[in-house]
Amino acid sequence: DTEVTQTPKHLVMGMTNKKSLKCEQHMGHRAMYWYKQKAKKPPELMFVYSYEKLSINESVPSRFSPECPNSSLLNLHLHALQPEDSALYLCASSQGLAQGKRSYEQYFGPGTRLTVT
Amino acid sequence: DAKTTQPPSMDCAEGRAANLPCNHSTISGNEYVYWYRQIHSQGPQYIIHGLKNNETNEMASLIITEDRKSSTLILPHATLRDTAVYYCIVRVARGGDKIIFGKGTRLHILP
Repeated sequence: DTEVTQTPKHLVMGMTNKKSLKCEQHMGHRAMYWYKQKAKKPPELMFVYSYEKLSINESVPSRFSPECPNSSLLNLHLHALQPEDSALYLCASSQGLAQGKRSYEQYFGPGTRLTVT
Repeated sequence: DAKTTQPPSMDCAEGRAANLPCNHSTISGNEYVYWYRQIHSQGPQYIIHGLKNNETNEMASLIITEDRKSSTLILPHATLRDTAVYYCIVRVARGGDKIIFGKGTRLHILP
């Protein structure tokens, strides 16, 4: 199984709502990532988790709150978002973090298309 | 991290080889060259990566120049399904793993 799954596929939420995005992989990968992609732009890294611990936070606003409850699951909790947060949110996983001469490719899910109204 | 420069778009006839160039003149010795592609409305897909030797897999070949300042991704027999945005990325192999996507090349395969 080389698949990263993301739910929901589409989400529309108001600025006062609280919602969560879910990402799951069963490849035994120990690193998981959240990216944000605006229309016609490349993906931008938001968070990196390694062995269920937050490794990188790319100065993401606190209205985005990641959580990694176990090695297969990654959540992104959303609260008080703004319309400019509307984007495709991509999850990825890799066998581990790159170290020394060892580097691992990332496998991406299909994304959740989020619209904030 | 080193930056990459790619042409914004390219066309290729179906069945021909698609050669996508990437310039990474500031690459350092421990940085890998990675290629991903993103088909419309899908997540990015890993294609291939290399450090200094040329690499080949079932999807593509990667040719890295001897000075490592540029590389070319080759899709040997392009099909319509290869229409996508192709990203060339240089990636540092150290803890705190980051992929920084550039603008990529939009490849159109023409029937």
